[in-house]
Amino acid sequence: GENVEQHPSTLSVQEGDSAVIKCTYSDSASNYFPWYKQELGKRPQLIIDIRSNVGEKKDQRIAVTLNKTAKHFSLHITETQPEDSAVYFCAASMGAGNMLTFGGGTRLMVKP
Amino acid sequence: KAGVTQTPRYLIKTRGQQVTLSCSPISGHRSVSWYQQTPGQGLQFLFEYFSETQRNKGNFPGRFSGRQFSNSRSEMNVSTLELGDSALYLCASSLSRYFGPGTRLTVL
Repeated sequence: GENVEQHPSTLSVQEGDSAVIKCTYSDSASNYFPWYKQELGKRPQLIIDIRSNVGEKKDQRIAVTLNKTAKHFSLHITETQPEDSAVYFCAASMGAGNMLTFGGGTRLMVKP
Repeated sequence: KAGVTQTPRYLIKTRGQQVTLSCSPISGHRSVSWYQQTPGQGLQFLFEYFSETQRNKGNFPGRFSGRQFSNSRSEMNVSTLELGDSALYLCASSLSRYFGPGTRLTVL
């Protein structure tokens, strides 16, 4: 089955800096790659997603890039703010998101 | 529209017991997926239901089962509880775009 690896497991940045989180997947049939933000004690929240027919997608300070050949995708957060502090999860699925395989998560800490 | 809701929010059970968790998706959404979240194993897919039919199942033992009703509400059941079943159980609707708050299950 699909396997998703996520790095780094923890990331500490200064407010205003950029943060990059990387994921690799094993199954070339995967075609949907969402990212979730989970604050402490709260539910995962979908923040951005990308499909395999697109190489990059942006939404304000957040962007995701996908390299199908290398089977990796990345989350980029620019101009980080303290409220960006959370655990971020990447995921992959063969389909539209009904059966996701998650990465292990990255704890992002943004220092004021 | 109301979001995804789950009941109960917290449960404490003892080994060997069984438990039933409930999930109500966003109104009009027919897909419900269930995930288990633990510190050690992270987020793992349990199963997915669409229009009362189980479409996909993750790699969990048969003690974990579920069903979906005609109003799209879904339940999952865990029988013969083990200590390792302690986890946050999350459901999601609309192809995992919207998650519920989860049910925190503690097995003693």
